[in-house]
Amino acid sequence: NAGVTQTPKFQVLKTGQSMTLQCAQDMNHNSMYWYRQDPGMGLRLIYYSASEGTTDKGEVPNGYNVSRLNKREFSLRLESAAPSQTSVYFCASSGHYNEQFFGPGTRLTVL
Amino acid sequence: RKEVEQDPGPFNVPEGATVAFNCTYSNSASQSFFWYRQDCRKEPKLLMSVYSSGNEDGRFTAQLNRASQYISLLIRDSKLSDSATYLCVVPASGGSYIPTFGRGTSLIVHP
Repeated sequence: NAGVTQTPKFQVLKTGQSMTLQCAQDMNHNSMYWYRQDPGMGLRLIYYSASEGTTDKGEVPNGYNVSRLNKREFSLRLESAAPSQTSVYFCASSGHYNEQFFGPGTRLTVL
Repeated sequence: RKEVEQDPGPFNVPEGATVAFNCTYSNSASQSFFWYRQDCRKEPKLLMSVYSSGNEDGRFTAQLNRASQYISLLIRDSKLSDSATYLCVVPASGGSYIPTFGRGTSLIVHP
């Protein structure tokens, strides 16, 4: 099992460009999450999906949209990137005991 | 009181030392907890779970003190490879799908 996978690993955007971060899990988990982590800071929840077909805002949703494509996949879209969105983005899924399993992250720089 | 609080450190210890971190939580109804390890610029990885009876895995021991609402992580015989940030997590419960992460405690083990 690959666990949680994310693409791309690295991305550089110019202000105003758009992009989609992809996440997939093969553990048959219902819940999936997107976090961002800025240098020296804790994880902040952007959006989550409790189950296929549902999505909800987290702590810092502004500037982002998400799609729960199916049970496996949960994507995060930046419609018009801003320098303040420079961060490391982690996708996670939640297991039977509500423990979280994380993907390797996407390192995004917005110039 | 913040939901989950951790001393950010850093805890700077020599190889072979024993070191302990605490994490306080505000929700007295929480039944279980997790410790995660996060290496620099990597994804958090589950280290161990903590229930009422505590948990031990090799050099690592986690305990729960319900009366004082804190959990602890004890690392014996510290190795250089233990250098990382240790995150305390209260998993989602009671109809919520959102876990609560502490900001982490930094551990540096030196020769």
